[in-house]
Amino acid sequence: SYDLTQPPSVSVAPGKTATITCGGGDIGNKIVHWYQQRPGQAPIMVILHDSERPLGIPERFSGSNAGTTATLTINRVEVGDEADYYCQLWDAVSDQWVFGGGTKLTVL
Amino acid sequence: QVQLVESGGGVVQPGRSLRLSCVVSGFSLHGSAMHWIRQAPGKGLEWVTRMSYDGNDIYYGDSVKGRFTISRDTSRSTLHLQMNSLRRDDTAIYYCARTEGDATNVDDWGQGTLVTVSS
Repeated sequence: SYDLTQPPSVSVAPGKTATITCGGGDIGNKIVHWYQQRPGQAPIMVILHDSERPLGIPERFSGSNAGTTATLTINRVEVGDEADYYCQLWDAVSDQWVFGGGTKLTVL
Repeated sequence: QVQLVESGGGVVQPGRSLRLSCVVSGFSLHGSAMHWIRQAPGKGLEWVTRMSYDGNDIYYGDSVKGRFTISRDTSRSTLHLQMNSLRRDDTAIYYCARTEGDATNVDDWGQGTLVTVSS
């Protein structure tokens, strides 16, 4: 099955830029989505189709995908952005949906 | 307004069965693919199963294949997950989730129901 690799944790100061990566073989040729999960809550989508923002998601959130890495970037990080972030894609070879292991974003 | 409300979770002994339900509103099951996605305590998200919008295509994750069955009752706007031969590592919050049409992202999530497999 297809594996997605995320760093377990990322720390950033308020107002700075957070970068969360999602690695996978040839991931640049797949479509990646990103979800935010705050403690005790269900996930919400923050980026779809590599780089699109759903309605209501601030412009500070952006995404990219090329080569072997998809990236979620959060500019001007706020305390409220502290959460777990997951990348996800559909693997056509196995017909399975795959989530990365998740990255805990800590705002120092 | 889209809503997904899960029920049926609880404590169950290893080897036993449990059936989860998800009542949806604000959209039709006919137009949406539906998933069950779970999250073990303190762990990440794990996709469990998906039923296509027309109900014709069903896929399962390797860890539940042969033990879990997804089904739906469109007349009652309800999705089910029949879980048999439960194991301790099936302990998790189970989320019902929706994908519009044949998209590859999850558009909406329920709040989840906790399943604990323990003797």
